[in-house]
Amino acid sequence: GAVVSQHPSRVICKSGTSVKIECRSLDFQATTMFWYRQFPKQSLMLMATSNEGSKATYEQGVEKDKFLINHASLTLSTLTVTSAHPEDSSFYICSAHQGLATSGQYFGPGTRLTVT
Amino acid sequence: KNQVEQSPQSLIILEGKNCTLQCNYTVSPFSNLRWYKQDTGRGPVSLTIMTFSENTKSNGRYTATLDADTKQSSLHITASQLSDSASYICVVSAPYSGGGADGLTFGKGTHLIIQP
Repeated sequence: GAVVSQHPSRVICKSGTSVKIECRSLDFQATTMFWYRQFPKQSLMLMATSNEGSKATYEQGVEKDKFLINHASLTLSTLTVTSAHPEDSSFYICSAHQGLATSGQYFGPGTRLTVT
Repeated sequence: KNQVEQSPQSLIILEGKNCTLQCNYTVSPFSNLRWYKQDTGRGPVSLTIMTFSENTKSNGRYTATLDADTKQSSLHITASQLSDSASYICVVSAPYSGGGADGLTFGKGTHLIIQP
């Protein structure tokens, strides 16, 4: 099956610093990747849609200048949390779509971000 | 508004027992319905996927059903094991059109605990 990886799996950073999270599709090309945030005991919340070679589309309420998304290739998307604050602490999950109408999305294992 | 409602919110059963989780949805148009298992601190892992014409899909001890007329799905777990303790998320997809938006509606999940 399709595999999506994320790196790092856990990261702790100080308030005011930036952190980059990578999402890779390992055995397929993904023209579209999605970034989600999940708070404890809550469902996944879509943050943005990342399209290869174009600007990301952000959901309402998500600051595009704070959550920078780059989709430089068909197998890699990155999410950079800039000037992180403790309230940004969350579980960030990416997913990738194979681009077929009948295929589904494959989720990465997630990245736990803790901002101190 | 597209919605996915899951019940129960949480469930505790003894190891070896069976259980059934429910999912009701109002998503339209409909493409497919997936059940995911999400272990704590991990990304969701797909258990089953069903399209409009499929009524039942099994994956080992997991059996999912779909009634597209009543817009209801269930996930039955037989002979539960301690490793089944996780959140089970029902996700309903609209037809994938590409270019943006994930087309997914997430349920809030059922938190299942298997006790020895």
